[in-house]
Amino acid sequence: QVQLAQSGAEVKKPGASVKVSCKASGYTITSHDINWVRQAPGQGLEWLGRLNPNGGDVRYAEKFQGRVTMTRNTPLNTAYMELSSLRSEDTAVYYCARRATPSGMDAWGQGTTVIVSS
Amino acid sequence: SYELTQPPSMSVSPGQTVSITCSGDKLGDKFASWYQHKPGQSPVLVIYQDRTRPSGIPERFSGSNSGNTATLTIGGTQPMDEAEYYCQTWDSNTAVFGGGTKLTVL
Repeated sequence: QVQLAQSGAEVKKPGASVKVSCKASGYTITSHDINWVRQAPGQGLEWLGRLNPNGGDVRYAEKFQGRVTMTRNTPLNTAYMELSSLRSEDTAVYYCARRATPSGMDAWGQGTTVIVSS
Repeated sequence: SYELTQPPSMSVSPGQTVSITCSGDKLGDKFASWYQHKPGQSPVLVIYQDRTRPSGIPERFSGSNSGNTATLTIGGTQPMDEAEYYCQTWDSNTAVFGGGTKLTVL
């Protein structure tokens, strides 16, 4: 079945970068967009952007423009999200999510906790 | 930027029907999706394209979207339905989530 397996938890200092991976199984990652969504403690879901793994086309939320980079390695069937210039407000659980339906994200990774602390 | 508004919390008795609303400017002209999110778990898609249930989602979940409001209705609510529910749409190729509604079943 379709699964998205994310990399493990990270602890970073302010100003550093973090790169989270999302390995797909049960389907070919180039078939559907991969979105990245986060949830900060006590907050709702927030969209960071999406990657079209087929052509590499990306679309980032305006809030993260200049700080986020989404890429993929098609032979590894894996997508990546890198967030730079980390600050404490970036402490959150980061999810990758596949969009295989016309509007919704139908498969989600298990989440990666990123803690930004000095 | 586009915004979606949900009530922060709602409560329902087991076996009853509850409707969660999501408001946005001309939302009915877009497609709405709904996610169920329980603590410590990943979100689950329960409705997409306004009213379509993914495979494995119980029939008690239904959706509609018209005018400025999308609605998620849970009929015969069960204790396992207690969760945060988020609506989501696409605006100019950008995903937008509502603030979430915490549903308590008591």
